[in-house]
Amino acid sequence: DAMVIQNPRYQVTQFGKPVTLSCSQTLNHNVMYWYQQKSSQAPKLLFHYYDKDFNNEADTPDNFQSRRPNTSFCFLDIRSPGLGDTAMYLCATSRDRGGGAGETQYFGPGTRLLVL
Amino acid sequence: ILNVEQSPQSLHVQEGDSTNFTCSFPSSNFYALHWYRWETAKSPEALFVMTLNGDEKKKGRISATLNTKEGYSYLYIKGSQPEDSATYLCASPSPGANNLFFGTGTRLTVIP
Repeated sequence: DAMVIQNPRYQVTQFGKPVTLSCSQTLNHNVMYWYQQKSSQAPKLLFHYYDKDFNNEADTPDNFQSRRPNTSFCFLDIRSPGLGDTAMYLCATSRDRGGGAGETQYFGPGTRLLVL
Repeated sequence: ILNVEQSPQSLHVQEGDSTNFTCSFPSSNFYALHWYRWETAKSPEALFVMTLNGDEKKKGRISATLNTKEGYSYLYIKGSQPEDSATYLCASPSPGANNLFFGTGTRLTVIP
């Protein structure tokens, strides 16, 4: 059974047209992450939620926002997508923070976003 | 930002061959090293989390070693099968960071 679900799997949007990507989890984990992976590049963390506490990475563009209305759901909002935002967006969860302590992250299958 | 590198970028092997690839990371202030397998159209799946120098972990035909002093980890696949075809990602957290820094992955294709 899927534990981290992302919808939609594929999304095409127009330049400047807002888009929302969805992530839900059945693991009851405290932490939820959003990563962006552009072609041939490493997944890059955009932000994460520790419970309701939002943590933005310093270099995440203001164009990217996130909401976590409850433990199970987390959304990625791109307010005005540019061509450079074409990428795979991965959602992940972990029981607690601390990748350094060996905290495993559980990933969804990703949403592939194409901005035209 | 932590510089995590993987090589080779892609690899083609014949079914039955054994193979290995490398993840390198800064050896200073090492915390942990994660390996993930990502099959096309599926979710990245955790393979191993390694924390101690000299660690060796095994899962079926896949094993990994860790050298924290020189800053590298090897992933080995014995007797590769077509179902092993995937991108293998490694990741490491920087000190005090709550997130993982990933390499670009090694894309493995096993030819039947």
